[in-house]
Amino acid sequence: DGGITQSPKYLFRKEGQNVTLSCEQNLNHDAMYWYRQDPGQGLRLIYYSQIVNDFQKGDIAEGYSVSREKKESFPLTVTSAQKNPTAFYLCASRRDRNTGELFFGEGSRLTVL
Amino acid sequence: EDQVTQSPEALRLQEGESSSLNCSYTVSGLRGLFWYRQDPGKGPEFLFTLYSAGEEKEKERLKATLTKKESFLHITAPKPEDSATYLCAVQAGGSNNAGNMLTFGGGTRLMVKP
Repeated sequence: DGGITQSPKYLFRKEGQNVTLSCEQNLNHDAMYWYRQDPGQGLRLIYYSQIVNDFQKGDIAEGYSVSREKKESFPLTVTSAQKNPTAFYLCASRRDRNTGELFFGEGSRLTVL
Repeated sequence: EDQVTQSPEALRLQEGESSSLNCSYTVSGLRGLFWYRQDPGKGPEFLFTLYSAGEEKEKERLKATLTKKESFLHITAPKPEDSATYLCAVQAGGSNNAGNMLTFGGGTRLMVKP
């Protein structure tokens, strides 16, 4: 089945540690996205990539980094510079980089201890 | 700045009690309005895309409608399994949205009691 796979589903981190969240898609979609979701708030865009080897900052990119070395993969690193990293992280992809619906993975919940 | 506001924040219904969820938006040049369903601890699941005022789409007990200022998600005779958070998002077509991003509302949490 085609889809988006995020891992791990749950992750605990100590303050000061970097962590990397994985996102893989086998939908052959050009564009991929990372969103953050906090309780009672809408999804906020962290980073997006419309093509391999290129990515752009979203609204809340500070403290995060990404790479897009392969079309299928778009990992997100949450660095120690992110002041409030505890959240639910969602990866999405879109077939057309300019329009259309997003397809989401199941999410990764990061908790900083 | 593009804005999306969903109301109410939470809605409790009895099974079979029909109602509507609202999504009000302010964008420069709407290129699409999207509805998603999200279950707790899961990623959003795509429901509908609407492109122009007057357009309607249906899926089982759900019907989405669109005007120039807002969209409604009508739920007819809901069942407990319809309980979820419903998210609305818009894509603006203005020059400020060069990345063709979606702007999401805060969602409406729907609870249907048997």
